[in-house]
Amino acid sequence: AQKITQTQPGMFVQEKEAVTLDCTYDTSDPSYGLFWYKQPSSGEMIFLIYQGSYDQQNATEGRYSLNFQKARKSANLVISASQLGDSAMYFCAMGAWGSGNTPLVFGKGTRLSVIA
Amino acid sequence: DGGITQSPKYLFRKEGQNVTLSCEQNLNHDAMYWYRQDPGQGLRLIYYSQIVNDFQKGDIAEGYSVSREKKESFPLTVTSAQKNPTAFYLCASRARGWSNQPQHFGDGTRLSIL
Repeated sequence: AQKITQTQPGMFVQEKEAVTLDCTYDTSDPSYGLFWYKQPSSGEMIFLIYQGSYDQQNATEGRYSLNFQKARKSANLVISASQLGDSAMYFCAMGAWGSGNTPLVFGKGTRLSVIA
Repeated sequence: DGGITQSPKYLFRKEGQNVTLSCEQNLNHDAMYWYRQDPGQGLRLIYYSQIVNDFQKGDIAEGYSVSREKKESFPLTVTSAQKNPTAFYLCASRARGWSNQPQHFGDGTRLSIL
């Protein structure tokens, strides 16, 4: 079974600073993918970034990057130059490789608040 | 534009009543999912369907039912057996294939008890 753990219920960051949101995972699958989503107060889920278990480099998408440490089973999201609009819930999720149709497993989320 | 449409945005249920939440996608995705989210919590899987006319129970299926008669549609019925239905419901879909495909979500339906 797959499990995602996000240990930070809430985080605060000053505007323009960088912030790291933690995510650890557990799986017996040899190949898997890790995803991060953003959920603003309006409720929609916005896909941010993906990391495959066999990817050699850490994923980056604009101000988002993923600090992937396979041996530690961690996939932390780094947001650089935080903006007020980054205030939201952030969810880490994972899925098994080659199982494109099975559901992603989600963590409980971290609420990020950006302070001006 | 391709996407997932959930309706209604807000829904109220009376005691003993069944209500149905609509989810339609035009992304040509094979798989569709229903999640429940309680305030300040993560997403819990209710049901999912990998192909038309087939679906599987998720972690919290009791009190819910679904159908998948068309690829585009995956409605969720909250039955009177679900004693605590007040929550935010999210529908998602995903393309068949490699695991790098993210799940795409609708904007959700907020269900409350009258």
